[in-house]
Amino acid sequence: DIQMTQSPSSLTASVEDRVTITCRASQDIRNDVGWYQQKPGTAPKRLIYASSTLDSGVPSRFSGSGSGTQFIFTITSLQPEDFATYYCVQHNTYPWTFGQGTKVEIK
Amino acid sequence: EVQLVESGGHLVQPGGSLRLSCAASGFTFRMYSMHWVREAPGKGLEYLSVITHNGRSTNYAASVKGRFTISRDNSNNTLFLQMGSLRPEDTAVYYCARSNNGYFDSWGQGTLVTVSS
Repeated sequence: DIQMTQSPSSLTASVEDRVTITCRASQDIRNDVGWYQQKPGTAPKRLIYASSTLDSGVPSRFSGSGSGTQFIFTITSLQPEDFATYYCVQHNTYPWTFGQGTKVEIK
Repeated sequence: EVQLVESGGHLVQPGGSLRLSCAASGFTFRMYSMHWVREAPGKGLEYLSVITHNGRSTNYAASVKGRFTISRDNSNNTLFLQMGSLRPEDTAVYYCARSNNGYFDSWGQGTLVTVSS
């Protein structure tokens, strides 16, 4: 199975900070990566697919980039509603696999 | 509106079996691949299984292969997960999810499975 190594596992940041999360795939997965946000007690919500395509209605402060084995997720100006856990997912090969998650907490 | 509603989760003893259901509405169920994902307490999300739109192809994570079986009833718009040889580490909230164009696009609210004696 393809492994997705996500870092950091958690971070503490302030409102308006820039936040960057990385994912590394164990093999080339082209740009077949999605980024999902999950808040406690709720189902995940997709923010980005195909590595860099923003879902409809998702604020432009969210962005993604990368291809092959290295992927980056960025929030340019953290807002109070962004405190959540974020996951990368490889959608290249079944079984799909999640990164370990990054919990973004308030400083 | 797409709706996915899981059911069937409850307390089961180690070694036991359980079948989860996911009732779908608001879309043409038979046209979409469907998935199961779980979230163990204090842990991250774990991908479990997929079934293609017509049920002809399935795939499983190594952690559940041989113990869990995914299936679907397109006549009744329902997805299933038959779980066997359950272990305490299978304790989790189980989500069903739809994929479209190769990515998850809709999720249920989850159902809790607890494996404990």
